[in-house]
Amino acid sequence: QQQVKQSPQSLIVQKGGISIINCAYENTAFDYFPWYQQFPGKGPALLIAIRPDVSEKKEGRFTISFNKSAKQFSLHIMDSQPGDSATYFCAASRTTSGTYKYIFGTGTRLKVLA
Amino acid sequence: EPEVTQTPSHQVTQMGQEVILRCVPISNHLYFYWYRQILGQKVEFLVSFYNNEISEKSEIFDDQFSVERPDGSNFTLKIRSTKLEDSAMYFCASGRLQETQYFGPGTRLLVL
Repeated sequence: QQQVKQSPQSLIVQKGGISIINCAYENTAFDYFPWYQQFPGKGPALLIAIRPDVSEKKEGRFTISFNKSAKQFSLHIMDSQPGDSATYFCAASRTTSGTYKYIFGTGTRLKVLA
Repeated sequence: EPEVTQTPSHQVTQMGQEVILRCVPISNHLYFYWYRQILGQKVEFLVSFYNNEISEKSEIFDDQFSVERPDGSNFTLKIRSTKLEDSAMYFCASGRLQETQYFGPGTRLLVL
């Protein structure tokens, strides 16, 4: 019940295309869902995050769509650029638990072709 | 922009040796975490720390592990007797609010 399932494992997109990464969770107590971007040899960097009281959040070219009933959320990268090539992790957290630990998905390796 | 820093960036040690990984969280943050990432795998939670005590620890965080905030600025992870399977990238994270966590660049630990 603590798992976050992420797909696809890898993704290749043409420059200018839309990259879509999906995550699903089981624990309905999760109430905070961040996405992190990680370049090789670097730490994960917070990209965008959402709470389940909204269905969509947009920041620049990055959008999170959230479906509470399906317990799914996804990251959309519009107008994908070669500089977006990285590994993306979704995560989930129970902010009411007192510890706020993140449960991470398995990651998606995105490659954007020039 | 303030950021979490970690030292060393790389550490090679012999099995059975003690290692201390150091982190300097962002200065006004209150919540501190250690995670690890075995090569090619997902990031896993190890321990959270708030108000000078452990809030939660995972099953990975056994008696060989300990954390400390010795001087109000540093946050350390000690592995008392390293094992081969401790080889991983260790990330420190901190947050001012309960939900948002900012990660450091990591320490790559290799146990031989």
